Amino acid sequence: AQRVTQPEKLLSVFKGAPVELKCNYSYSGSPELFWYVQYSRQRLQLLLRHISRESIKGFTADLNKGETSFHLKKPFAQEEDSAMYYCALKGSSNTGKLIFGQGTTLQVKP
Amino acid sequence: DTEVTQTPKHLVMGMTNKKSLKCEQHMGHRAMYWYKQKAKKPPELMFVYSYEKLSINESVPSRFSPECPNSSLLNLHLHALQPEDSALYLCASSRRLAESYEQYFGPGTRLTVT
Repeated sequence: AQRVTQPEKLLSVFKGAPVELKCNYSYSGSPELFWYVQYSRQRLQLLLRHISRESIKGFTADLNKGETSFHLKKPFAQEEDSAMYYCALKGSSNTGKLIFGQGTTLQVKP
Repeated sequence: DTEVTQTPKHLVMGMTNKKSLKCEQHMGHRAMYWYKQKAKKPPELMFVYSYEKLSINESVPSRFSPECPNSSLLNLHLHALQPEDSALYLCASSRRLAESYEQYFGPGTRLTVT
């Protein structure tokens, strides 16, 4: 079964603290994983894809196949990082399906 | 133009009404998607179109009827909806199905069924 699990509904940290948003997946084959973000009153948008291995807005995510994880990390959280974060897995067979996790709300307190 | 637009922003309809949601993009994308999103939940895929042809219907009730009249437009026709259909309806597009990971989302239409 193809599944994405984000175990935390809410993650609350203080500004300047490190952040790790957890994502675990279930997929047979080579997974393609992504992080989407939805800021308040803004549209859902792609933040990161594991293939590019880039850092966007200070966030990075590494695919760990052994632990079937794709956690999103940032060393120093900013208040503007407060948003809903979704981990997503591209479904097999190029069907166009993205399988989203349940989402984690990140709240960065001043 | 790098945006997906959706109209209307808000829609209130009775259970006997017929209405349509509209989605438009001018990025040359050939894959388009409809999602339903309930509050604080992830988007749930409803339909996928590829090159104006229906590619996926995620067992959506027939009271929702999608239409892709051309490569820039996607409609969702609504008829005899139920109160539980109240949700945010999101449209998205991507360059191709194979690039579905990079979907550009619209702002959504907030639908209330009374």
